[in-house]
Amino acid sequence: DGGITQSPKYLFRKEGQNVTLSCEQNLNHDAMYWYRQDPGQGLRLIYYSQIVNDFQKGDIAEGYSVSREKKESFPLTVTSAQKNPTAFYLCASSILPGGRAKNIQYFGAGTRLSVL
Amino acid sequence: GESVGLHLPTLSVQEGDNSIINCAYSNSASDYFIWYKQESGKGPQFIIDIRSNMDKRQGQRVTVLLNKTVKHLSLQIAATQPGDSAVYFCADAYNQGGKLIFGQGTELSVKP
Repeated sequence: DGGITQSPKYLFRKEGQNVTLSCEQNLNHDAMYWYRQDPGQGLRLIYYSQIVNDFQKGDIAEGYSVSREKKESFPLTVTSAQKNPTAFYLCASSILPGGRAKNIQYFGAGTRLSVL
Repeated sequence: GESVGLHLPTLSVQEGDNSIINCAYSNSASDYFIWYKQESGKGPQFIIDIRSNMDKRQGQRVTVLLNKTVKHLSLQIAATQPGDSAVYFCADAYNQGGKLIFGQGTELSVKP
């Protein structure tokens, strides 16, 4: 069953704690993305990666960090510097954008992060 | 910077009626758009896409119209069903390193 798997589905963070959200894909996609979604809002890009060992900041990268050590994995760490982390986090993947390629991003089921 | 906006945050329709969800974009160079459907508590799902060399594209019960003159696109859902209840997003997929620019979303409610 191909797709994008995010875990956990629900996550709770204590004050001052770093937490890591997992994202794994078996679609053989080169590009992976992390978005944040707040209630009633659209998706805002946190980080994205087009190739292993390389990633770029999105629009709201402050307080977050990522790594891309393997093509299929793109974990997101929400650090203690992120003062308002409560949100729905979505991971996506796509073929490498460029030329006439269609940049359709395919999404996981999301992780809902709350602060205790 | 570029932006994408939806005209109405909520839309309520009767089951069996047609639904029309509108979206405006700001970047004249944008040449590719994607519509997503997001059900409650789930990730967005791809519905349909359209390139700027087309004015209209049809899928199963869905049609997307693109008006480049006024930078507007719409998603039409025929014979709306309860299972169509969700938030619908348009995304500007103009090739800027693969980044998508999402609108705020329109929540579609289908009344039985």
